[in-house]
Amino acid sequence: GQQVMQIPQYQHVQEGEDFTTYCNSSTTLSNIQWYKQRPGGHPVFLIQLVKSGEVKKQKRLTFQFGEAKKNSSLHITATQTTDVGTYFCAGKTLGRLYFGRGTQLTVWP
Amino acid sequence: DSGVTQTPKHLITATGQRVTLRCSPRSGDLSVYWYQQSLDQGLQFLIQYYNGEERAKGNILERFSAQQFPDLHSELNLSSLELGDSALYFCASSVRGDTQETQYFGPGTRLLVL
Repeated sequence: GQQVMQIPQYQHVQEGEDFTTYCNSSTTLSNIQWYKQRPGGHPVFLIQLVKSGEVKKQKRLTFQFGEAKKNSSLHITATQTTDVGTYFCAGKTLGRLYFGRGTQLTVWP
Repeated sequence: DSGVTQTPKHLITATGQRVTLRCSPRSGDLSVYWYQQSLDQGLQFLIQYYNGEERAKGNILERFSAQQFPDLHSELNLSSLELGDSALYFCASSVRGDTQETQYFGPGTRLLVL
C-alpha cells in the first residue's frame, strides 16, 4: 500500500494564483524531501525537511513539515507558467524512502 | 544535467522479450536506485545498490533483476516482458545511499512493450 499519500493529484490554476500540495503519512517520517518533475523531464530535488515544525522558503515556494512529522506541504505563491510540472514528496519511514503519487500542476497564462 | 546518464533513451520491444537498461551514476556517488514511473502507479522504488551490494528492495518483480558493477555503473534487467511493463525507468544516484541524502535522477529510459 501507499505509505505516503499526496493530494491533490491534479491542480489547474491561473497564473498569479496560489497553489498547495499536501503529503500525509500514517507513520512518523524521519525526513521529507520534495522533488519537481517538468513535463518530459526527470525528478529534480528541491528541498529536504528534517525537524518537527520546520518551515523553509525558496523564493515563492514555502515548504512545511508538520509538528508530528506525519505531514508536509508545499505552497507556491503567485504561480508562474514556469512552475508547471509534477511535484513529488518523498518521506523516509519504515527504513525506506516512499514517494507520493505527485501533484500535477498546470498553470494557465 | 544531473550528471547521471542512462541508456538507451527509448526502447521498443515485444512481449516476452528481455531488455537491459544501463545507468552511470554521478562521479563519486556510490549508491544507485532504480525507479519505475507509470501513469497509474506513479514513481515506484524498485531496488537500491550501494558500492556493488544490494541495499534495499522495493516493488521489484521477480522477472526483474539488477546489479551494480565494480565501476559503479548499474544495469536493470527486465525479462518476460508484459504490456504492463511499459513505463519510464529512472535511475538515481547519491553519495552514501543514506535516505536523508539528495537523490540525483537520470533522464530515464522510456520502455514500450508491444
